[in-house]
Amino acid sequence: EPEVTQTPSHQVTQMGQEVILRCVPISNHLYFYWYRQILGQKVEFLVSFYNNEISEKSEIFDDQFSVERPDGSNFTLKIRSTKLEDSAMYFCASSESAAFTGELFFGEGSRLTVL
Amino acid sequence: SQQGEEDPQALSIQEGENATMNCSYKTSINNLQWYRQNSGRGLVHLILIRSNEREKHSGRLRVTLDTSKKSSSLLITASRAADTASYFCATVPSGSARQLTFGSGTQLTVLP
Repeated sequence: EPEVTQTPSHQVTQMGQEVILRCVPISNHLYFYWYRQILGQKVEFLVSFYNNEISEKSEIFDDQFSVERPDGSNFTLKIRSTKLEDSAMYFCASSESAAFTGELFFGEGSRLTVL
Repeated sequence: SQQGEEDPQALSIQEGENATMNCSYKTSINNLQWYRQNSGRGLVHLILIRSNEREKHSGRLRVTLDTSKKSSSLLITASRAADTASYFCATVPSGSARQLTFGSGTQLTVLP
């Protein structure tokens, strides 16, 4: 069964360092998302991406964050200068259609620990 | 204001019993979805109910939606130990096409 894959599964970094989290969405999906979940808290929306551009972004997704689809398969989230509060599980998701019409398929997540 | 608040926060039942989780939300929605998350894992979509539907079934899952009360419930019948997980409702707030807003979740523990 097709699935969303994410790498790395766990990354430890020093505060101020750049981090890139990678995702391979399901191949025929058109919409891509990043969500994050701080330990013990809600899953929070970061950004949605469609047709090679950002569709929506939340207040969390500030100038330190960027997303890119560098080729036909990968979808990346970059955090330019990590802060302690960026420590969280980051989930990539994809869907065939916009969220209001269908389900999202989530990856297993990348756990980011900022020291 | 919070969109998608689950109740109870935690629920512990015996295997074979039914589990009911509730979700309340504040804004108009296009649909409401329920997801499951095993500890430390990704979210898995369980069921979607549209705003013009009142009830939906999928296997041992039954979801109801009351748009007048802005609430939904998820019923898992004949629970199994493997159903132990966190369950989240998620909505798309009015005016947003692609932003799912998740509730805080119900941690379900099914004791063998």
